[in-house]
Amino acid sequence: DAMVIQNPRYQVTQFGKPVTLSCSQTLNHNVMYWYQQKSSQAPKLLFHYYDKDFNNEADTPDNFQSRRPNTSFCFLDIRSPGLGDAAMYLCATSRRGDPETQYFGPGTRLLVL
Amino acid sequence: AQKVTQAQTEISVVEKEDVTLDCVYETRDTTYYLFWYKQPPSGELVFLIRRNSFDEQNEISGRYSWNFQKSTSSFNFTITASQVVDSAVYFCALLEMDSNYQLIWGAGTKLIIKP
Repeated sequence: DAMVIQNPRYQVTQFGKPVTLSCSQTLNHNVMYWYQQKSSQAPKLLFHYYDKDFNNEADTPDNFQSRRPNTSFCFLDIRSPGLGDAAMYLCATSRRGDPETQYFGPGTRLLVL
Repeated sequence: AQKVTQAQTEISVVEKEDVTLDCVYETRDTTYYLFWYKQPPSGELVFLIRRNSFDEQNEISGRYSWNFQKSTSSFNFTITASQVVDSAVYFCALLEMDSNYQLIWGAGTKLIIKP
């Protein structure tokens, strides 16, 4: 089945230790998104790629970076995680012209110790 | 100003009851899309439905139905004969065509179905 895959499902890191979350998709969608979701809140868009074109949200901290080496994969790098970065991180994809329905992966829950 | 309002923070009903989740939106665009997503305790956001602004037909999918009314800027979601597996947080979202793909999310409604 075509899908959005996120690994790992749970990630524990230490305060200040860089961490990378990964997302892959078999939908062949050209747009990929990273969201942060904290408890009892709606998802918050961090950035998205339209093909290789990177779009950063204005309020996304510099601590968050992303890479998209090819259509299928997208990575979220947190350079120096703080306690406030503990959250669920959701990857989503969409196809330009779908129109724009976003399909989400299962998420990675990040814990910062 | 909040563009998508889900006024019900939490709803609790007994299994087999019908329940309606409200969503009111605000936009100046004539072309836009509305969505409902389900987020069970596992955390994955599951796409349920998309409606565009030119299609006001109500939709039914099994026990789920959606009532889109542009006159009241509402896109309400009804679950008929609720089941415990319907327990989740439900999000309504708006996509404006000039938004650079940014969904505008409601705050979510937590639905608890008691056996």
